[in-house]
Amino acid sequence: AQKITQTQPGMFVQEKEAVTLDCTYDTSDQSYGLFWYKQPSSGEMIFLIYQGSYDEQNATEGRYSLNFQKARKSANLVISASQLGDSAMYFCAMREWDSNYQLIWGAGTKLIIKP
Amino acid sequence: DGGITQSPKYLFRKEGQNVTLSCEQNLNHDAMYWYRQDPGQGLRLIYYSQIVNDFQKGDIAEGYSVSREKKESFPLTVTSAQKNPTAFYLCASSIDGGQVELFFGEGSRLTVL
Repeated sequence: AQKITQTQPGMFVQEKEAVTLDCTYDTSDQSYGLFWYKQPSSGEMIFLIYQGSYDEQNATEGRYSLNFQKARKSANLVISASQLGDSAMYFCAMREWDSNYQLIWGAGTKLIIKP
Repeated sequence: DGGITQSPKYLFRKEGQNVTLSCEQNLNHDAMYWYRQDPGQGLRLIYYSQIVNDFQKGDIAEGYSVSREKKESFPLTVTSAQKNPTAFYLCASSIDGGQVELFFGEGSRLTVL
């Protein structure tokens, strides 16, 4: 069974609009962390934001926020006021602190910002 | 500037040949990782090392080998035993094995002809 599911293979969004990238996860651990990374065409993965399972507030980092709905096991990334430079692949990942220290990755969403 | 350097960026290899991908970091991180990325899939862990002279297999270690003789270096050898080696390979590091944030290199694209 997929532990991390990103249902949107690709998205087109108009510049300056907000965009939500979906991520659902599956774990039986109580302690886990959720991550979002950005991969531009240059290839490297860039860390964007982290949410711990015990964090009561949704994580925010500048224009990025994580809409964490624990009961629904969803951790959607919200990018406000999108920019052309936001065009990239976006990956959701999870680390289960109780059982496995290694990251489990989703298949990614390709985001294209239209001018 | 501190970071992770992977080389070569592009590599072509004939079937049956071993090839070594280089990964060097100057971040003074203890932990280093190798991931494989295929189109339409998430990253998959090949090997990781939490300390010098020690490394563990990840989910897809078969056909690959690594060494960690120095803190800053974690080379990956793709052997002829790897059945489908054409892929994009990413090296990463973190301060230690339990840290939240991974830092990545720009990757090496291996094509087997």
